[in-house]
Amino acid sequence: ELQLVESGGGLVQPGGSLRLSCAASGFTFSSYEMNWVRQAPGKGLEWVSYISISSSTIYYADSVKGRFTISRDNAKKSLYLQMNSLRAEDTAVYYCARVWFGTTNNYYYYYMDVWGKGTTVTVSS
Amino acid sequence: SYELTQPPSVSVSPGQTASITCSGDKLGDKYACWYQHKPGQSPVLVIYEHTKRRSGIPERFSGSNSGNTATLTISGTQAMDEADYYCQAWDSSTVIFGGGTKLTVL
Repeated sequence: ELQLVESGGGLVQPGGSLRLSCAASGFTFSSYEMNWVRQAPGKGLEWVSYISISSSTIYYADSVKGRFTISRDNAKKSLYLQMNSLRAEDTAVYYCARVWFGTTNNYYYYYMDVWGKGTTVTVSS
Repeated sequence: SYELTQPPSVSVSPGQTASITCSGDKLGDKYACWYQHKPGQSPVLVIYEHTKRRSGIPERFSGSNSGNTATLTISGTQAMDEADYYCQAWDSSTVIFGGGTKLTVL
């Protein structure tokens, strides 16, 4: 069974740090790109960050650039998100998801076909 | 920055057809996909590359694209289809989600 399990969420004060983890099973983790997506309370889905198979290509949303760092360990079949300088607006459920990304017919496609159940991050004093 | 616009809500009677639109500048030059998201659950990929139905998704779900608008159509809508639906595309090193559409089946 394809599975992604996030962990590491919790309550943290503004300015604090947190490291999220995502453990993959049921597929060859080292063959897939991955990303993080979040959903703040009462809001829609927001993409956070993307990482390629070899970690050579990384993208971030402007809202987290310079504060968050995505990484992966293919040997451990795990994805990570290091979150520093946390703000109240970072409060959200954070999902990791498997990514299909490339071009066909000269158009870019990007979609996420396997999602974890999410881990909740609350930034509050 | 690139934006995708969806109607905040759509209502449909059981058995009828629901259409949810997603508009963006030159969206036809990018591949859009659609996710279904029910409260307390993880998002589920429904449609990718504008029109391809993900394996295991009922045939009543279909996607189309015309110019600047992608459309998710649910034929013979069922109560279980009530959820938030999000379109999503890739543009300039960024993943963009639409604001989401709450589908109510009443």
